Amino acid sequence: EAQVTQNPRYLITVTGKKLTVTCSQNMNHEYMSWYRQDPGLGLRQIYYSMNVEVTDKGDVPEGYKVSRKEKRNFPLILESPSPNQTSLYFCASSGNSGAIYEQYFGPGTRLTVT
Amino acid sequence: QKEVEQDPGPLSVPEGAIVSLNCTYSNSAFQYFMWYRQYSRKGPELLMYTYSSGNKEDGRFTAQVDKSSKYISLFIRDSQPSDSATYLCAMSGLGAGQNFVFGPGTRLSVLP
Repeated sequence: EAQVTQNPRYLITVTGKKLTVTCSQNMNHEYMSWYRQDPGLGLRQIYYSMNVEVTDKGDVPEGYKVSRKEKRNFPLILESPSPNQTSLYFCASSGNSGAIYEQYFGPGTRLTVT
Repeated sequence: QKEVEQDPGPLSVPEGAIVSLNCTYSNSAFQYFMWYRQYSRKGPELLMYTYSSGNKEDGRFTAQVDKSSKYISLFIRDSQPSDSATYLCAMSGLGAGQNFVFGPGTRLSVLP
C-alpha cells in the first residue's frame, strides 16, 4: 500500500530534550516536506526537500533541522524543543515535475513540549 | 495581512445542498492552486489541483480560480454527510523548489 508513515504518532517531552520524528514514504517520491498545524493558522511549511541531500527552508524553519540522506526518509529534528513547538506535525511527499502538486500526507505526530 | 485567507466556519448545510468554499490570497506569483480535505485526526488528502485561472471539475467537486481577483473557490454539489471535514486551500508558485502556502481551513458539517 502506498503510504507516508510517521513515528511516533504521539510524543510528550520536556523543554530542551532533543527529539527526532521520523518520516518514510514507499512511493519513490523525490519531494518531501514537513508541516506544522496549529489552530487558526492552518498548515505551515517547515522544511522541504527536492531530492536526496537537497533541502530548503519553508515559512517556519526556526528551531528545526532536517536531513535527506535516503530518498525514502526525511526525519525532523528538534535539537532543543520549546513549548511553542507544541503542535501537530505532518510529513508529506510527492513526485517531481507536474506531480509535485499532488502531495500525500502522513497521519500526523502530535507533539507536546512541557 | 495573511498570505492566504479562508473563512474558518464552521459551515453547516443540509444534505444535498451546494457548498461554496473560498480562499483569497495576496501573492500574485502563485500559479498552482490545490484543495485538500482533512477528516478529524487524519492527514490532509488532495481533492484536486488547478493551474492558473479557470475551472476544473471532478465528480461532485468543481474548483475555480480567478487570478485577476486573487480568489479561488471549491464547489461541492449534492453534499453528503461524508463530506463533513475541514477543507484547506493551498497555493504554490511555478516550477521546482517552490514551497506551499496553506489557508487555515474551513470546517464543514453536512447534516443528514
